[in-house]
Amino acid sequence: GQQVMQIPQYQHVQEGEDFTTYCNSSTTLSNIQWYKQRPGGHPVFLIQLVKSGEVKKQKRLTFQFGEAKKNSSLHITATQTTDVGTYFCAGDVSPPGGSNYKLTFGKGTLLTVNP
Amino acid sequence: SAVISQKPSRDICQRGTSLTIQCQVDSQVTMMFWYRQQPGQSLTLIATANQGSEATYESGFVIDKFPISRPNLTFSTLTVSNMSPEDSSIYLCSVEDQGGGHGYTFGSGTRLTVV
Repeated sequence: GQQVMQIPQYQHVQEGEDFTTYCNSSTTLSNIQWYKQRPGGHPVFLIQLVKSGEVKKQKRLTFQFGEAKKNSSLHITATQTTDVGTYFCAGDVSPPGGSNYKLTFGKGTLLTVNP
Repeated sequence: SAVISQKPSRDICQRGTSLTIQCQVDSQVTMMFWYRQQPGQSLTLIATANQGSEATYESGFVIDKFPISRPNLTFSTLTVSNMSPEDSSIYLCSVEDQGGGHGYTFGSGTRLTVV
């Protein structure tokens, strides 16, 4: 079945360093979404990418969607302690116009930041 | 975005008993999704609940174990039946935010421990 692979599983950085997490799908995605889950919290939606090669920015966060719509990345510039949490990608593999809409989540990357 | 009230937030249950988790949404939504998240792991979709029809279960999840109700467009329940310690997990409900491109909103989760 559809798989969404995400690496690394863990990343520990010093405050101020950059961080990147990568997501790969075995099939083409209709769109990809990114979520952040703080320790003890629930996933919170960050962004959705739809177009091939799309790049979106949210302050220090940069999201990219690959040309083939099978991979994506989230890059954080100059991490802060408030960035701590698990970042999940989630792919929508349903065909356009399909009714069986379903997100498949990656395993997530746990980011810890040393102040 | 939608606001979801999920309860209980946590519970400790005896094996062999059942627990019903409730999710109330502040707006009408067509589909509600139920996920399981084991500690430190990703989110696994249990089932999709549509109002007026039986829930659609993912591979590995069955109605007898996880019966779902969807009496109206703002409410759903998930029951974890005949619990065993392996059912200890976090259970989350989710809805798609309307308007497209806004991802999914999650309930705050139910942390279940079976002893």
